[in-house]
Amino acid sequence: DAGVTQSPTHLIKTRGQHVTLRCSPISGHKSVSWYQQVLGQGPQFIFQYYEKEERGRGNFPDRFSARQFPNYSSELNVNALLLGDSALYLCASSLAWGSDLTDTQYFGPGTRLTVL
Amino acid sequence: EDKVVQSPLSLVVHEGDTVTLNCSYEVTNFRSLLWYKQEKKAPTFLFMLTSSGIEKKSGRLSSILDKKELFSILNITATQTGDSAVYLCAVRNTGNQFYFGTGTSLTVIP
Repeated sequence: DAGVTQSPTHLIKTRGQHVTLRCSPISGHKSVSWYQQVLGQGPQFIFQYYEKEERGRGNFPDRFSARQFPNYSSELNVNALLLGDSALYLCASSLAWGSDLTDTQYFGPGTRLTVL
Repeated sequence: EDKVVQSPLSLVVHEGDTVTLNCSYEVTNFRSLLWYKQEKKAPTFLFMLTSSGIEKKSGRLSSILDKKELFSILNITATQTGDSAVYLCAVRNTGNQFYFGTGTSLTVIP
């Protein structure tokens, strides 16, 4: 079975540009979460979506937005890129939302974003 | 401010040693605590703990949660070089937000 997939694997952008990162959850999973992991730090929670609705939001500026599609895949958009946005962006999927039994998150390999 | 603190930040041991990794937390409306292993990119799930005093075990790894003292430990016995990784602790609150610690980097020397 395919795990969580993310694209692209690497990306280089310049300050002020816009970026879109993509995530496909494990088949049958309906919830997707996004995390930012700066080198040497733990992942920081950005968003969680379930059934195409935002269910959780971390402490990130409005430059960060996301959406979930009817097939449960998701996009993370970041506008007006800053140097500090350089990080590994991780997507995690879970079966559902709201129950400890179904909320175990499985992470994708991440997208490494470098902002120059 | 909600936070998760892991210690030590890094650890170097010899194969066969036993290690204990610590995770303390201050998170409002605690729901569960999770441990992950991160080798290169994607963290892989190890344990989810919701109740105090109940040990979760998987092979040489085990973990326990103390909700009164707000901490958890992850034990690895008879360590192997394949255990070398960053071990992440995360706490989920009832608002469905996840707070991660900075991780403990474990290096196992042959």
